[in-house]
Amino acid sequence: QKEVEQNSGPLSVPEGAIASLNCTYSDRGSQSFFWYRQYSGKSPELIMFIYSNGDKEDGRFTAQLNKASQYVSLLIRDSQPSDSATYLCAVNRGGSQGNLIFGKGTKLSVKP
Amino acid sequence: DADVTQTPRNRITKTGKRIMLECSQTKGHDRMYWYRQDPGLGLRLIYYSFDVKDINKGEISDGYSVSRQAQAKFSLSLESAIPNQTALYFCAAAGVGAVDTQYFGPGTRLTVL
Repeated sequence: QKEVEQNSGPLSVPEGAIASLNCTYSDRGSQSFFWYRQYSGKSPELIMFIYSNGDKEDGRFTAQLNKASQYVSLLIRDSQPSDSATYLCAVNRGGSQGNLIFGKGTKLSVKP
Repeated sequence: DADVTQTPRNRITKTGKRIMLECSQTKGHDRMYWYRQDPGLGLRLIYYSFDVKDINKGEISDGYSVSRQAQAKFSLSLESAIPNQTALYFCAAAGVGAVDTQYFGPGTRLTVL
């Protein structure tokens, strides 16, 4: 079983819509969860992290965590063409002192 | 962020050559990491270091070695490069805290012919 799974996409949404990106993880001991955005050929850029069950909002971005279901998601409201990128979910494996396990990413395309 | 820099940004080399990729960070973070990224395979951890005296292998360390010369510097070496080491290489740094966010350098695109 893959440790961190994401739908590879591409996920296509119209400009102004809500984009919903999903991630599941296998290690119940995982403690912290991260979303990174990566433009083609560029480095991953942190969007936000979450470590408590529930929702965390930062501007147009909302991260949602459900540890019982081992599920974390990222919602992007009012999607813009500039949001078109690959979104990486990363999970801090409990007990590994800060090592992150990355999903392969979901490619998002926002159409004008 | 951690102000992580990597040199070189691009490198083309031949099979069998020794290559060193360098990484520096300016925020005094203790933890540093080397990843490679391949299309379809995502980010994979090569080596990581929690301080100058602590070096650990990641999931794909074969064919690579590292050196933590100082808290701010972490170098990755390919002793004898081979074509399947062609990839995008990222260095990352992280502090120690409740949430250990990793900040990435701009990457080095390595091509082994």
